[in-house]
Formats: sequence, C-alpha cells, structure tokens
Amino acid sequence: EAEVAQSPRYKITEKSQAVAFWCDPISGHATLYWYRQILGQGPELLVQFQDESVVDDSQLPKDRFSAERLKGVDSTLKIQPAELGDSAMYLCASSPTGDSPLHFGNGTRLTVT
Amino acid sequence: SQQGEEDPQALSIQEGENATMNCSYKTSINNLQWYRQNSGRGLVHLILIRSNEREKHSGRLRVTLDTSKKSSSLLITASRAADTASYFCATDAVRAQKLVFGQGTRLTINP
Repeated sequence: EAEVAQSPRYKITEKSQAVAFWCDPISGHATLYWYRQILGQGPELLVQFQDESVVDDSQLPKDRFSAERLKGVDSTLKIQPAELGDSAMYLCASSPTGDSPLHFGNGTRLTVT
Repeated sequence: SQQGEEDPQALSIQEGENATMNCSYKTSINNLQWYRQNSGRGLVHLILIRSNEREKHSGRLRVTLDTSKKSSSLLITASRAADTASYFCATDAVRAQKLVFGQGTRLTINP
C-alpha cells in the first residue's frame, strides 16, 4: 500500500537555527497538509495545499514558518529561526480530494534546545 | 482551534471488554472521521460518517452520529492489546473547508 514519506524522522536543533522537513505524498493525491502535534494534543493544521496552491495557511506563523509545494508533488516546511515552543511532531498528510480521508506519514519529531 | 472534544481523555480496560469513546462538536458538519494513532506514529483513518448517516460499522468498530446533539461515539468491541492507541475524532465543518481534530482519547487495553 502506498505511503506518505517524511524525512527526517527525528531532528534536534538549537534555538535560532533553521530547520526543514520534507514530505512526499501518495502519488496522484492533489491535496497535501502539514499538521503540528504537541505531545498529548490533537494535530493542528498549519497549511493545506491543493496542487501547488495554498488553500489555507491561517494558522501558519508566517514570521518564521514557510511552506512550498513546487510542481504540486512533494513539499517542504521550513522554520527559521526555530524557537523552544516549536518542539513538536510535524505530520504530513495527503488525500485525493479535499473531502477524502487523510493518509498520514509517520512524522518528524522536532526537538529545539 | 479545536472543533471536537473527546471524552474520556483516557480509558483503561481489560482485553475482551468493549471500549466507547465520545466526541462532541460545535458547528454543522459535512462529515466526521475517526483516526487512530499508535505512539510515535502517524494517524490512521478508521471510519468516516457523513452528516446524513446515523451509524456505520467496520469490523469491530461501530460509529454513531447524532447531529441534533452534535455528538458521535466510537465503539470498539472485543478489545485486543493491539487496540492500545490514541483515538481522535475530526470534523469537516460546513464553513471551515478543513479537517479539525479533537484532543483525543488515550485507550489502554490491559492483557
């Protein structure tokens, strides 16, 4: 069964450094999502793409976070500079359409020291 | 912003017993979905129930939806140790056009 690929699996970075996460969705899935999940809480949507266009980035801290999905396939989420409060699991998900169930990757666990 | 709220926050039962988790939400929805998350892993979709449906089954899972009370429940029958995980409801609200997750229920099945 096809899977959503994410890398790296774990990332430890120091405060004020830049960090980037990569996601490769299931082939043919037009909609891609980045979620942030703080330990013990539910995932919170950061950004949603439809093909290469941003559909929703209302919860993305745009002063430090950026996301792109060039060519409408894989996607990169960047944080610069990282802050202690950014420590969390960053999950990527994809779906064929905007109202289909989501397929999640296994996430990137970020620790900011 | 959290649309759905799960209850209880944590549940511990013996293997073989049934587990029931509840989800309440605030605004009108297109559909409600349930996901499972094993520790340190991504979420896995379990079941989707649309606003015009009242009950759905999938194997040992039964989901009900009461739109008048804005609530849903997930029942896992004959629980197994492998069912130990966090369970999240997620709502696709009519006006939001995005899936919003609740805080989850942590389910522990004791052998």
